[in-house]
Amino acid sequence: GAVVSQHPSRVICKSGTSVKIECRSLDFQATTMFWYRQFPKQSLMLMATSNEGSKATYEQGVEKDKFLINHASLTLSTLTVASAHPEDSSFYICSASVGLAGYTDTQYFGPGTRLTVL
Amino acid sequence: QKEVEQNSGPLSVPEGAIASLNCTYSDRGSQSFFWYRQYSGKSPELIMFIYSNGDKEDGRFTAQLNKASQYVSLLIRDSQPSDSATYLCAVNGRMDSSYKLIFGSGTRLLVRP
Repeated sequence: GAVVSQHPSRVICKSGTSVKIECRSLDFQATTMFWYRQFPKQSLMLMATSNEGSKATYEQGVEKDKFLINHASLTLSTLTVASAHPEDSSFYICSASVGLAGYTDTQYFGPGTRLTVL
Repeated sequence: QKEVEQNSGPLSVPEGAIASLNCTYSDRGSQSFFWYRQYSGKSPELIMFIYSNGDKEDGRFTAQLNKASQYVSLLIRDSQPSDSATYLCAVNGRMDSSYKLIFGSGTRLLVRP
């Protein structure tokens, strides 16, 4: 149980393109979903926390107008990288939690999306 | 600033040995502690979580928690080359009115055949 999927797994796009990444919890309802970014040889960096039906909470330094998060249902959250540039190239990973809203319980990670912006 | 500290390694052990991975954390209010394994180029995979002081065993893995010392560890018995990966310690903490997982930078484990 506790399977999280992400789509697509890999994206290569031109600079200026908007990229949408989907994160789905397949066998449970996720109260909270998280979006992380990881650069090579670095640890996970939390970008934002999203609860179903409410606005995402962004970490300091993360541009909410560039990284648009929609958490439409208890099983789906999307991250849209608006007008991507080469510096946005990274490994984007979502996770889903079954904890109560506002409380972080165990997080299960999706397989990640590798974004390369040319 | 709430922090989770891990030795970056690499920790090198021979096949069949016990690998001991350590983690300290700064927030005394933390209640949940997690160990994730991350292979190169892949996303983290949950190995174990622990909430109470003491040991928790799951197969070849044992998590140890000492809240008084703010210390959590992961022991891997009978280490296999397939255990070679980066191990991330994560601690839940309350920040800005919500709970989040705070990750250490990870310890790279290398199991030599």
